[in-house]
Amino acid sequence: NAGVTQTPKFQVLKTGQSMTLQCAQDMNHNSMYWYRQDPGMGLRLIYYSASEGTTDKGEVPNGYNVSRLNKREFSLRLESAAPSQTSVYFCAIRRGAAYEQYFGPGTRLTVT
Amino acid sequence: DAKTTQPNSMESNEEEPVHLPCNHSTISGTDYIHWYRQLPSQGPEYVIHGLTSNVNNRMASLAIAEDRKSSTLILHRATLRDAAVYYCIPTMNYGGSQGNLIFGKGTKLSVKP
Repeated sequence: NAGVTQTPKFQVLKTGQSMTLQCAQDMNHNSMYWYRQDPGMGLRLIYYSASEGTTDKGEVPNGYNVSRLNKREFSLRLESAAPSQTSVYFCAIRRGAAYEQYFGPGTRLTVT
Repeated sequence: DAKTTQPNSMESNEEEPVHLPCNHSTISGTDYIHWYRQLPSQGPEYVIHGLTSNVNNRMASLAIAEDRKSSTLILHRATLRDAAVYYCIPTMNYGGSQGNLIFGKGTKLSVKP
């Protein structure tokens, strides 16, 4: 996974609980992304960070907050989890001559 | 964003070549064509990209039509480990862009032993 780590790997939450998904890279790249993937669907962008301290909303940002306090880490927070947020969450970095992306292993989140 | 059309599914025999097609007739003249794959229960994996010329790497080859409205990912000898969903994604050739990938439903490749 090209040096992108995500924690936790699995999580079960009750509706209304909060949690933070962590993503870290060891390659010193500026651009980082959070995507979600619902069953049988392609990935959709939640938030994007072009560099430390900057973040932008993606296609499906509602219900999420993000934090990019340093170049290495990009976290995704669910303040009040809802069943509709049951999904697999992937973090990615962008690098390379053609700006290809490299993904972490994912966090499988279930909200009951 | 360029729209892509890929077959929902394809089947191949092990050790035979596989040609995965993609139509992207609305692609911008400067967009890259990226291919990713996603193995079961894993994150997407970058496979290959091209702009105008055909490309080869250790994983696959990419053949791009002269008008760039379609491309074909070629796996020269499919293995069981190649069973995955393959995504064709036109991508802006501009590092300053948000650069997010627009995933369609892709092609689910099954490989029979």
